[in-house]
Amino acid sequence: LAKTTQPISMDSYEGQEVNITCSHNNIATNDYITWYQQFPSQGPRFIIQGYKTKVTNEVASLFIPADRKSSTLSLPRVSLSDTAVYYCLVGGGSARQLTFGSGTQLTVLP
Amino acid sequence: GAVVSQHPSRVICKSGTSVKIECRSLDFQATTMFWYRQFPKKSLMLMATSNEGSKATYEQGVEKDKFLINHASLTLSTLTVTSAHPEDSSFYICSASGGAEYGYTFGSGTRLTVV
Repeated sequence: LAKTTQPISMDSYEGQEVNITCSHNNIATNDYITWYQQFPSQGPRFIIQGYKTKVTNEVASLFIPADRKSSTLSLPRVSLSDTAVYYCLVGGGSARQLTFGSGTQLTVLP
Repeated sequence: GAVVSQHPSRVICKSGTSVKIECRSLDFQATTMFWYRQFPKKSLMLMATSNEGSKATYEQGVEKDKFLINHASLTLSTLTVTSAHPEDSSFYICSASGGAEYGYTFGSGTRLTVV
C-alpha cells in the first residue's frame, strides 16, 4: 500500500491560494491520486482525482509531476469555509488500497 | 450523482445493547461498500469491505463477531455493533464507488456514543 505524507497543519488567509503537497514515494503504476475534504463530524467529500500532469475542476487543481512521487492540491482564493482536513489518498481501484494518512488541517483566517 | 446516505447520524445506546447503522447508495448500485471508524482528531481507519451477496472482508484487528456487516442488496449495507461498550464509541462512516469519475463517495457518518 502506498503510504502518503502530508503536512499536519497549514494556516492561510482568506482570498489566498493554498497549495498542499503530498508525498507518495512508492506509488504503483496503476495507482490514482485522490484528494478528499472533511469537516468535523461529516464524511469525507471528494475534491479531485488524477493520474498524471494536471487536473482542474471547479473547486481545485491537482498537479502531479512526471515521477508521480508527489502531488499538490491547489485551492484558489480560499474562504473561511475551506477550513477543514484535507486527505491525499493513493490507490488503484479498491478501497482496501485507499489508506487514509493523517491529513492536513487547513485553517483559513480572516 | 453518486450519493451515499447513512442513518442514523447519531445514536446513544446503553452498554450491552446492539446498534444498527445503515448505508444506502441512492442513485447507483454498489456491489461493494466500505466501513470506516474514526476517533476524535484521528484519521479514518478501514474496518471492513462489504460485499453484496457474500461475506464481508474484515481488516486485521477488527472483530467480525462484534461488527456484523450485511449487504443484502445492491444499494444497502448495514453495520451492527453488537454488545456495545463505551470503547466502541466512535464516528462510523461508510463509502461506495459511484464510478471512476466520482471516486469513492462517503456517507455523512454516524456518531455512536455508548453509555
